[in-house]
Amino acid sequence: SQQGEEDPQALSIQEGENATMNCSYKTSINNLQWYRQNSGRGLVHLILIRSNEREKHSGRLRVTLDTSKKSSSLLITASRAADTASYFCATAISTTSGTYKYIFGTGTRLKVLA
Amino acid sequence: DTEVTQTPKHLVMGMTNKKSLKCEQHMGHRAMYWYKQKAKKPPELMFVYSYEKLSINESVPSRFSPECPNSSLLNLHLHALQPEDSALYLCASSQGTGSSYNEQFFGPGTRLTVL
Repeated sequence: SQQGEEDPQALSIQEGENATMNCSYKTSINNLQWYRQNSGRGLVHLILIRSNEREKHSGRLRVTLDTSKKSSSLLITASRAADTASYFCATAISTTSGTYKYIFGTGTRLKVLA
Repeated sequence: DTEVTQTPKHLVMGMTNKKSLKCEQHMGHRAMYWYKQKAKKPPELMFVYSYEKLSINESVPSRFSPECPNSSLLNLHLHALQPEDSALYLCASSQGTGSSYNEQFFGPGTRLTVL
């Protein structure tokens, strides 16, 4: 089963509005990462928030983390048409070999209308 | 150079064909990954190589065979695939696999269609 469940699955907003997407996860984490994927392309790392952080900013991005609720949110302010993409949260899971692998959430498809 | 390259961009193959996907990075990363992604779904991990050794195989069918010839290259050999294997295949790299803080760098993917 997925480590991260995201909602909404799809979001359509007007340019200039804010977009908020949420991610819930199941196990304890050291950090949570957010990635963006433009249609049919590779993923691009956006931001990492550590488990001891509650909020982090990067440009127009604001990420919050609530470890008690096992949830995170990504806010994109003053959205632009170029923000149209799918957004995934990702968490690292330790394996029996002592390495980490990354599990992606179900994703939110954001469409920003000009 | 912070780029991961993948070739080919598109591949159409029959169920009896043998083909290979290629991935390359020159960031000095020691971990490389193959993911499979179906439309409107998240990437699903297939294989992880750490220091050129296979460290994770997510129970992938043997018709997919990964190979890491050196620290910069990662191949995925395909043989006797099924139509349901049609997907976007993504390669990624990171500094290592021993930390949960590694950022992954993704290539643009190979769009595979199996007829």
